[in-house]
Amino acid sequence: GAVVSQHPSWVICKSGTSVKIECRSLDFQATTMFWYRQFPKQSLMLMATSNEGSKATYEQGVEKDKFLINHASLTLSTLTVTSAHPEDSSFYICSARGRPGGLSRGLYSPLHFGNGTRLTVT
Amino acid sequence: AQTVTQSQPEMSVQEAETVTLSCTYDTSESDYYLFWYKQPPSRQMILVIRQEAYKQQNATENRFSVNFQKAAKSFSLKISDSQLGDAAMYFCAYKQDTGRRALTFGSGTRLQVQP
Repeated sequence: GAVVSQHPSWVICKSGTSVKIECRSLDFQATTMFWYRQFPKQSLMLMATSNEGSKATYEQGVEKDKFLINHASLTLSTLTVTSAHPEDSSFYICSARGRPGGLSRGLYSPLHFGNGTRLTVT
Repeated sequence: AQTVTQSQPEMSVQEAETVTLSCTYDTSESDYYLFWYKQPPSRQMILVIRQEAYKQQNATENRFSVNFQKAAKSFSLKISDSQLGDAAMYFCAYKQDTGRRALTFGSGTRLQVQP
């Protein structure tokens, strides 16, 4: 089945530094990638949607200058947390959607999740 | 905006018994998808089951089945013959059929399975 690779799986950084998280679709072309954030014992909250070759669409309340998203190719999207602070410590999960297909009326295309990145800012 | 509500923060079931997790949602759309995802301690998101809103028949996947009540906007998950490996966080999720295609997740239900 389709695989989404997310790297790194965990990272510790010092306050004020930047961290880049990569999300790769390994065997399909990801026309759209989503970035979620999950605090401990909470749900996944959508941060932004990125489409290949265009600017990301950020959810309300998410600082676009702090969470830089680049989707330069159909297989790679990156999330860079700039000037990280302890409150940015969280679990970040990417998901990727390929081209629509199948027999369902809505041309359903499966959504595949990466394994997530645990970010700790000290 | 669509919302997904899971009113059971935690549930517990005995091994081999059946448990039902509740989910309600709010939408003005007529075409959409509903999902149940499992998140074990590894934090990997695992798709359990999917339901298309236009289908009246409830989806089933082995021991997992749903009770989809479109008019009531209810989408419960039934786990039969519960196994220790079923212990995890379960998230109900919604996706519009058109336009924005991100998933909207509920707050989750932590399922414990007692041996």
